[in-house]
Amino acid sequence: AQSVTQPDIHITVSEGASLELRCNYSYGATPYLFWYVQSPGQGLQLLLKYFSGDTLVQGIKGFEAEFKRSQSSFNLRKPSVHWSDAAEYFCAVGMEYGNKLVFGAGTILRVKS
Amino acid sequence: GAGVSQSPSNKVTEKGKDVELRCDPISGHTALYWYRQSLGQGLEFLIYFQGNSAPDKSGLPSDRFSAERTGGSVSTLTIQRTQQEDSAVYLCASSSGSYQETQYFGPGTRLLVL
Repeated sequence: AQSVTQPDIHITVSEGASLELRCNYSYGATPYLFWYVQSPGQGLQLLLKYFSGDTLVQGIKGFEAEFKRSQSSFNLRKPSVHWSDAAEYFCAVGMEYGNKLVFGAGTILRVKS
Repeated sequence: GAGVSQSPSNKVTEKGKDVELRCDPISGHTALYWYRQSLGQGLEFLIYFQGNSAPDKSGLPSDRFSAERTGGSVSTLTIQRTQQEDSAVYLCASSSGSYQETQYFGPGTRLLVL
Protein backbone atom coordinates (compact mmCIF):
# COMPACT_ATOMS: atom_id res chain seq x y z
CA ALA A 1 0.00 0.00 0.00
CA GLN A 2 1.05 3.54 -0.62
CA SER A 3 2.50 5.34 2.36
CA VAL A 4 4.48 8.41 3.29
CA THR A 5 6.83 8.62 6.25
CA GLN A 6 7.97 11.80 7.89
CA PRO A 7 10.34 10.56 10.58
CA ASP A 8 10.61 13.84 12.47
CA ILE A 9 7.54 14.86 14.46
CA HIS A 10 9.12 18.08 15.72
CA ILE A 11 12.11 20.08 14.54
CA THR A 12 13.49 23.26 16.08
CA VAL A 13 15.89 25.49 14.20
CA SER A 14 17.32 28.91 14.83
CA GLU A 15 16.22 31.77 12.66
CA GLY A 16 18.62 32.10 9.77
CA ALA A 17 19.75 28.49 9.95
CA SER A 18 19.22 26.01 7.17
CA LEU A 19 16.39 23.49 7.23
CA GLU A 20 15.82 20.01 5.90
CA LEU A 21 12.59 18.09 6.47
CA ARG A 22 12.67 14.45 5.58
CA CYS A 23 10.09 12.52 3.60
CA ASN A 24 10.16 8.93 2.40
CA TYR A 25 7.45 7.32 0.33
CA SER A 26 6.35 3.87 -0.67
CA TYR A 27 4.64 3.72 -4.03
CA GLY A 28 4.87 1.19 -6.81
CA ALA A 29 4.48 3.50 -9.77
CA THR A 30 5.97 6.84 -10.68
CA PRO A 31 5.34 9.02 -7.66
CA TYR A 32 3.70 12.38 -7.78
CA LEU A 33 4.97 14.19 -4.71
CA PHE A 34 3.86 17.28 -2.86
CA TRP A 35 4.82 19.39 0.11
CA TYR A 36 2.10 21.37 1.87
CA VAL A 37 2.36 23.76 4.81
CA GLN A 38 -0.30 24.38 7.42
CA SER A 39 -0.17 27.37 9.73
CA PRO A 40 -2.24 27.30 12.93
CA GLY A 41 -5.94 27.52 12.16
CA GLN A 42 -5.30 27.58 8.43
CA GLY A 43 -5.84 25.20 5.59
CA LEU A 44 -3.08 23.52 3.63
CA GLN A 45 -1.01 25.58 1.23
CA LEU A 46 1.00 23.97 -1.53
CA LEU A 47 4.72 24.70 -1.33
CA LEU A 48 5.88 22.68 -4.31
CA LYS A 49 5.24 19.53 -6.31
CA TYR A 50 7.13 17.01 -8.38
CA PHE A 51 5.64 15.17 -11.34
CA SER A 52 8.55 14.49 -13.64
CA GLY A 53 11.65 16.05 -15.12
CA ASP A 54 14.22 17.93 -13.08
CA THR A 55 14.54 16.24 -9.71
CA LEU A 56 15.25 19.51 -7.91
CA VAL A 57 12.01 21.43 -7.57
CA GLN A 58 11.68 25.05 -6.57
CA GLY A 59 8.67 26.22 -4.63
CA ILE A 60 7.24 29.26 -2.95
CA LYS A 61 8.74 31.06 0.04
CA GLY A 62 12.26 30.00 -0.87
CA PHE A 63 11.68 26.27 -0.40
CA GLU A 64 13.04 23.54 -2.62
CA ALA A 65 12.84 19.77 -2.62
CA GLU A 66 14.87 17.05 -4.26
CA PHE A 67 13.40 13.80 -5.54
CA LYS A 68 15.73 10.83 -5.13
CA ARG A 69 14.26 7.71 -6.62
CA SER A 70 17.04 5.45 -5.31
CA GLN A 71 16.27 6.52 -1.75
CA SER A 72 12.49 6.92 -2.20
CA SER A 73 12.87 10.36 -0.70
CA PHE A 74 11.57 13.84 -1.33
CA ASN A 75 13.21 16.05 1.29
CA LEU A 76 12.28 19.68 1.71
CA ARG A 77 14.99 22.27 2.19
CA LYS A 78 15.39 25.95 2.84
CA PRO A 79 18.77 27.68 3.14
CA SER A 80 17.73 30.29 5.72
CA VAL A 81 14.66 29.91 7.91
CA HIS A 82 12.48 32.86 8.91
CA TRP A 83 10.34 33.04 12.05
CA SER A 84 7.25 33.07 9.82
CA ASP A 85 8.15 29.57 8.58
CA ALA A 86 7.02 28.09 11.90
CA ALA A 87 4.17 25.76 10.93
CA GLU A 88 3.39 22.12 10.26
CA TYR A 89 4.68 20.60 7.04
CA PHE A 90 3.13 17.68 5.24
CA CYS A 91 4.59 15.52 2.53
CA ALA A 92 2.10 13.72 0.28
CA VAL A 93 2.04 11.31 -2.63
CA GLY A 94 -0.66 11.54 -5.28
CA MET A 95 -2.43 8.40 -6.36
CA GLU A 96 -2.56 7.77 -10.10
CA TYR A 97 -6.24 6.95 -9.94
CA GLY A 98 -8.46 9.70 -8.63
CA ASN A 99 -5.67 12.05 -7.71
CA LYS A 100 -6.31 11.55 -4.01
CA LEU A 101 -3.42 12.35 -1.74
CA VAL A 102 -1.81 10.14 0.85
CA PHE A 103 -0.20 12.27 3.53
CA GLY A 104 2.62 11.78 5.95
CA ALA A 105 2.04 12.45 9.65
CA GLY A 106 3.52 15.92 9.42
CA THR A 107 6.52 17.68 10.91
CA ILE A 108 6.05 20.62 13.24
CA LEU A 109 8.71 23.25 12.71
CA ARG A 110 9.61 25.61 15.51
CA VAL A 111 11.87 28.58 14.86
CA LYS A 112 13.80 30.09 17.72
CA SER A 113 15.18 33.59 17.63
CA GLY B 1 -14.74 33.61 -4.17
CA ALA B 2 -11.01 33.37 -4.57
CA GLY B 3 -10.55 30.15 -2.67
CA VAL B 4 -12.27 27.13 -1.21
CA SER B 5 -14.65 28.05 1.58
CA GLN B 6 -16.10 25.82 4.27
CA SER B 7 -18.84 26.28 6.80
CA PRO B 8 -19.22 26.25 9.67
CA SER B 9 -15.68 26.91 10.81
CA ASN B 10 -16.44 25.24 14.13
CA LYS B 11 -19.16 22.83 15.15
CA VAL B 12 -19.88 21.38 18.56
CA THR B 13 -22.46 18.64 18.77
CA GLU B 14 -23.66 15.98 21.11
CA LYS B 15 -22.99 12.32 20.57
CA GLY B 16 -25.72 10.76 18.46
CA LYS B 17 -26.71 13.91 16.60
CA ASP B 18 -26.34 14.38 12.85
CA VAL B 19 -24.13 17.10 11.39
CA GLU B 20 -23.73 18.63 7.94
CA LEU B 21 -20.54 20.26 6.76
CA ARG B 22 -20.48 22.43 3.68
CA CYS B 23 -17.81 23.07 1.07
CA ASP B 24 -17.81 25.68 -1.69
CA PRO B 25 -15.05 24.87 -4.18
CA ILE B 26 -13.20 27.29 -6.39
CA SER B 27 -15.43 28.34 -9.26
CA GLY B 28 -14.90 26.15 -12.31
CA HIS B 29 -13.15 23.35 -10.44
CA THR B 30 -14.64 20.01 -11.40
CA ALA B 31 -12.88 17.88 -8.79
CA LEU B 32 -13.71 18.05 -5.09
CA TYR B 33 -12.18 16.11 -2.20
CA TRP B 34 -12.92 15.65 1.48
CA TYR B 35 -10.18 14.79 3.95
CA ARG B 36 -10.19 14.36 7.70
CA GLN B 37 -7.42 15.51 10.01
CA SER B 38 -7.39 13.97 13.46
CA LEU B 39 -4.82 13.48 16.19
CA GLY B 40 -4.76 9.74 15.97
CA GLN B 41 -5.04 9.26 12.21
CA GLY B 42 -3.36 12.28 10.68
CA LEU B 43 -4.69 13.48 7.32
CA GLU B 44 -6.80 10.88 5.57
CA PHE B 45 -8.78 10.86 2.36
CA LEU B 46 -12.54 10.44 2.65
CA ILE B 47 -14.28 10.94 -0.69
CA TYR B 48 -13.64 12.34 -4.18
CA PHE B 49 -16.02 13.81 -6.76
CA GLN B 50 -15.05 14.37 -10.38
CA GLY B 51 -17.59 15.95 -12.68
CA ASN B 52 -20.59 13.72 -13.26
CA SER B 53 -18.74 10.50 -12.47
CA ALA B 54 -19.70 8.30 -9.56
CA PRO B 55 -17.81 9.48 -6.48
CA ASP B 56 -14.91 7.54 -5.04
CA LYS B 57 -16.12 6.73 -1.53
CA SER B 58 -13.31 4.39 -0.66
CA GLY B 59 -12.07 6.50 2.26
CA LEU B 60 -15.32 6.86 4.16
CA PRO B 61 -14.78 5.21 7.56
CA SER B 62 -18.33 3.94 8.08
CA ASP B 63 -21.82 4.06 6.62
CA ARG B 64 -22.61 6.91 8.99
CA PHE B 65 -20.62 9.13 6.62
CA SER B 66 -22.03 10.31 3.32
CA ALA B 67 -21.47 13.18 0.94
CA GLU B 68 -23.16 14.71 -2.03
CA ARG B 69 -22.31 17.32 -4.55
CA THR B 70 -25.14 19.31 -6.03
CA GLY B 71 -24.93 20.86 -9.48
CA GLY B 72 -21.27 19.99 -9.75
CA SER B 73 -20.38 22.69 -7.25
CA VAL B 74 -21.25 22.81 -3.54
CA SER B 75 -20.69 19.67 -1.51
CA THR B 76 -22.14 18.58 1.81
CA LEU B 77 -20.55 15.98 4.06
CA THR B 78 -23.05 14.43 6.44
CA ILE B 79 -22.19 12.46 9.54
CA GLN B 80 -25.10 10.62 11.12
CA ARG B 81 -25.27 9.56 14.75
CA THR B 82 -21.97 11.24 15.55
CA GLN B 83 -19.47 9.53 17.82
CA GLN B 84 -16.66 11.05 19.85
CA GLU B 85 -14.10 9.55 17.52
CA ASP B 86 -15.57 11.67 14.71
CA SER B 87 -14.05 14.75 16.36
CA ALA B 88 -11.56 16.11 13.86
CA VAL B 89 -10.94 18.86 11.35
CA TYR B 90 -12.69 18.16 8.07
CA LEU B 91 -10.89 19.65 5.09
CA CYS B 92 -12.27 20.18 1.64
CA ALA B 93 -10.13 20.65 -1.47
CA SER B 94 -10.85 21.30 -5.11
CA SER B 95 -8.88 21.13 -8.32
CA SER B 96 -9.42 21.76 -12.00
CA GLY B 97 -9.82 18.04 -12.51
CA SER B 98 -6.90 17.67 -14.87
CA TYR B 99 -4.59 14.80 -14.15
CA GLN B 100 -2.59 15.44 -11.00
CA GLU B 101 -3.58 19.07 -10.90
CA THR B 102 -2.92 20.89 -7.64
CA GLN B 103 -5.54 20.57 -4.93
CA TYR B 104 -6.46 23.79 -3.16
CA PHE B 105 -7.63 23.39 0.40
CA GLY B 106 -10.20 25.24 2.42
CA PRO B 107 -9.65 26.31 6.05
CA GLY B 108 -11.55 23.32 7.39
CA THR B 109 -14.40 22.70 9.79
CA ARG B 110 -13.40 21.77 13.31
CA LEU B 111 -15.91 19.26 14.66
CA LEU B 112 -16.14 18.43 18.34
CA VAL B 113 -18.46 15.67 19.47
CA LEU B 114 -19.23 15.74 23.18
